[in-house]
Amino acid sequence: EAEVAQSPRYKITEKSQAVAFWCDPISGHATLYWYRQILGQGPELLVQFQDESVVDDSQLPKDRFSAERLKGVDSTLKIQPAELGDSAMYLCASSGGTGMVTEAFFGQGTRLTVV
Amino acid sequence: ILNVEQSPQSLHVQEGDSTNFTCSFPSSNFYALHWYRWETAKSPEALFVMTLNGDEKKKGRISATLNTKEGYSYLYIKGSQPEDSATYLCAHSDNRLAFGKGNQVVVIP
Repeated sequence: EAEVAQSPRYKITEKSQAVAFWCDPISGHATLYWYRQILGQGPELLVQFQDESVVDDSQLPKDRFSAERLKGVDSTLKIQPAELGDSAMYLCASSGGTGMVTEAFFGQGTRLTVV
Repeated sequence: ILNVEQSPQSLHVQEGDSTNFTCSFPSSNFYALHWYRWETAKSPEALFVMTLNGDEKKKGRISATLNTKEGYSYLYIKGSQPEDSATYLCAHSDNRLAFGKGNQVVVIP
């Protein structure tokens, strides 16, 4: 069964260091999302890609966060420098629709701890 | 920004009891309403996607209804079992998928 792959599953990093997460969506899915889930809250959209283009990054803290999906397939989310408040679960999801959102499929997430 | 509200935030249910919780969302620019189940250490898993006012979906003991005119959806669990313990996420979509904070359900054996 096709699934969204994310790595690493867990990451511990020191404050002010750089950290990167990788996501490989389900093959053929044009839409890719990065969400951040802080304990006790629902997932918050950080960035949404349609193929290689960013369609929404309004909630992405652009001073320290960046995301790319160069060939419209896999994607990388980077934080530099990491801060204590960045500790969270980072979820990647993909969907096959264009425009209006159809069902999204999630990866298992990367649990980031900043110390 | 799409504001999705879920209530109650958490609830404890005795095994065998039925329960329900609410998702409210903006009724304008509606396209679809999604319910996901998120179990600890797993990925969120899609339960239902509903698009039409009056839609009702069912999967086993879990069902959902949709009212797009007043902007709410109910999720029902009939005869709760321990394996139903999870966080249930509601999401509203147009060309974005925006989530509520979730309903955390703990079923007590």
